[in-house]
Amino acid sequence: GDSVTQMEGPVTLSEEAFLTINCTYTATGYPSLFWYVQYPGEGLQLLLKATKADDKGSNKGFEATYRKETTSFHLEKGSVQVSDSAVYFCALSTGANSKLTFGKGITLSVRP
Amino acid sequence: GAVVSQHPSWVICKSGTSVKIECRSLDFQATTMFWYRQFPKQSLMLMATSNEGSKATYEQGVEKDKFLINHASLTLSTLTVTSAHPEDSSFYICSATGTGGLHEQYFGPGTRLTVT
Repeated sequence: GDSVTQMEGPVTLSEEAFLTINCTYTATGYPSLFWYVQYPGEGLQLLLKATKADDKGSNKGFEATYRKETTSFHLEKGSVQVSDSAVYFCALSTGANSKLTFGKGITLSVRP
Repeated sequence: GAVVSQHPSWVICKSGTSVKIECRSLDFQATTMFWYRQFPKQSLMLMATSNEGSKATYEQGVEKDKFLINHASLTLSTLTVTSAHPEDSSFYICSATGTGGLHEQYFGPGTRLTVT
């Protein structure tokens, strides 16, 4: 079945540091890939997505590129801010009914 | 726009009782709603998918008689945990997709259930 594997956390960085959060997947068919973010006390929000190989999703300074050859969708940001502190989930969808398969999520804490 | 609310945000109930969790789309019509369960430090596990006016589709391993899902209107779905036990304690999250281009899932803030 479909699965998403995220790197183990938590991750703690200083403000303005470079961020990489690894995500790899296995899927039957050709998935769409997503990163969701959950800020403290809030619901999950879509951060970015990519629907085909080599597509780059970007939003709020975050980027992720759909790499079919390595089945990866790593999340990067060049300079994190304290306000980026949240839980980040990688996810995929292969079905027409928008069903999502999530990774475990990783908590990012950014220190001033 | 595209806001989903859940009520209550947390609930404590005694073993053997039933508890109902509501999920509402506040500013759009939700043709499909999803219910997830999340254990500490684990990913969201899809429990069931419900379409307005029809029976929910449960994922393998989810007891449909224990987790009753009703999607009676385009803005409301409910999850009832029947005869709750301590192992049902978890974080329950709903999401919704709509019409008019709203095909991505919009998530509620979740409900923390503790069964004592």
